[in-house]
Amino acid sequence: QKEVEQDPGPLSVPEGAIVSLNCTYSNSAFQYFMWYRQYSRKGPELLMYTYSSGNKEDGRFTAQVDKSSKYISLFIRDSQPSDSATYLCAMSAVGGANSKLTFGKGITLSVRP
Amino acid sequence: GAVVSQHPSRVICKSGTSVKIECRSLDFQATTMFWYRQFPKQSLMLMATSNEGSKATYEQGVEKDKFLINHASLTLSTLTVTSAHPEDSSFYICSASPPGSGGAKYFGPGTRLTVT
Repeated sequence: QKEVEQDPGPLSVPEGAIVSLNCTYSNSAFQYFMWYRQYSRKGPELLMYTYSSGNKEDGRFTAQVDKSSKYISLFIRDSQPSDSATYLCAMSAVGGANSKLTFGKGITLSVRP
Repeated sequence: GAVVSQHPSRVICKSGTSVKIECRSLDFQATTMFWYRQFPKQSLMLMATSNEGSKATYEQGVEKDKFLINHASLTLSTLTVTSAHPEDSSFYICSASPPGSGGAKYFGPGTRLTVT
């Protein structure tokens, strides 16, 4: 079993839809959780960063962490064609500049106009 | 958010030559930077951890003599692909965490290397 599993996709939704992206993990030591958006041929862009369990909202994006279930989610409200990209979840057991991230495989989202 | 830059954005080189890729933290100092490679439609694979003023730490299976890393200052790390071969063609990306970010990683825009 991989440490981090992410729905493989791809995922296609109509504009305006609510998108739910999910990752599960097996390492209970993970405490720091991130979501990245990566456009084709670009570096990943940090969307959300959360510590431990709970919810965090930033504009149209909401990140949820459920440590008891080892499950994290990213919700995108009112999805736009510009949201079409690959979304990667990432996590680490420790914070700090020298902490290593473990990534999910990524899911490609397409938002149809 | 914090800014990490890379240069060049893309490079084409002939087999057997060496290529240097730069990673810079533009608005913060980074004692640690990370180097990844990414193949098409795949996730990021960590290659090595670059530490300012000391040797890099390489992940298992990554040839340290082939992928030379130098972190000479708090804002610059370089990755040199030595004696490049076509199988080294890939997308190389670096990342770093600004102080006080709790370890949140910011990535550079990536460098696309093509070896002919």
